[in-house]
Amino acid sequence: EDKVVQSPLSLVVHEGDTVTLNCSYEVTNFRSLLWYKQEKKAPTFLFMLTSSGIEKKSGRLSSILDKKELSSILNITATQTGDSAIYLCADTNFGNEKLTFGTGTRLTIIP
Amino acid sequence: NAGVMQNPRHLVRRRGQEARLRCSPMKGHSHVYWYRQLPEEGLKFMVYLQKENIIDESGMPKERFSAEFPKEGPSILRIQQVVRGDSAAYFCASSPPATYEQYFGPGTRLTVT
Repeated sequence: EDKVVQSPLSLVVHEGDTVTLNCSYEVTNFRSLLWYKQEKKAPTFLFMLTSSGIEKKSGRLSSILDKKELSSILNITATQTGDSAIYLCADTNFGNEKLTFGTGTRLTIIP
Repeated sequence: NAGVMQNPRHLVRRRGQEARLRCSPMKGHSHVYWYRQLPEEGLKFMVYLQKENIIDESGMPKERFSAEFPKEGPSILRIQQVVRGDSAAYFCASSPPATYEQYFGPGTRLTVT
């Protein structure tokens, strides 16, 4: 069965700092890894990484997939209070469509 | 383009009652997924549907839970004879065919009293 582990479980930093969130996965027949941001409502899609697209960037956020280490990182530079949220990663495999989520990293940005 | 819509946003049911949760996917999306988030836990897959078909229900409890996605209208997640342990946030997601990016709705928070 798929397993997704995120670290750290929680992180508190000051505004302006750079943070790196980690996600490791164990899955048979890996297809993709996705990152979401969850505030008090719906998880918001951030990135999807696949074997053919291992690096994505959008503004201050970027993500890299390490296929050899079966892991991914999410970087946020120049953090702002609006970045405070739970960041979720999930994987999928060929053969089914479901997302298997980690328990998330709770990020708190102090002004 | 409206996002994934779910209603109601909050639902309170007494033990033994039925809960019906609705999800309208984004325009152009034909794949619907339901996930459950228990307090202090991660999102867990329940069921994946396409129009008029259940594709994968491996995450659905065997009893009391059912889902449908009719030809017309929203997808429905139905929970019969609710118990306190059913209290959770239920999220619906949708995706267009041939991609695997799932976009989530705002969720329905079910409270069983």
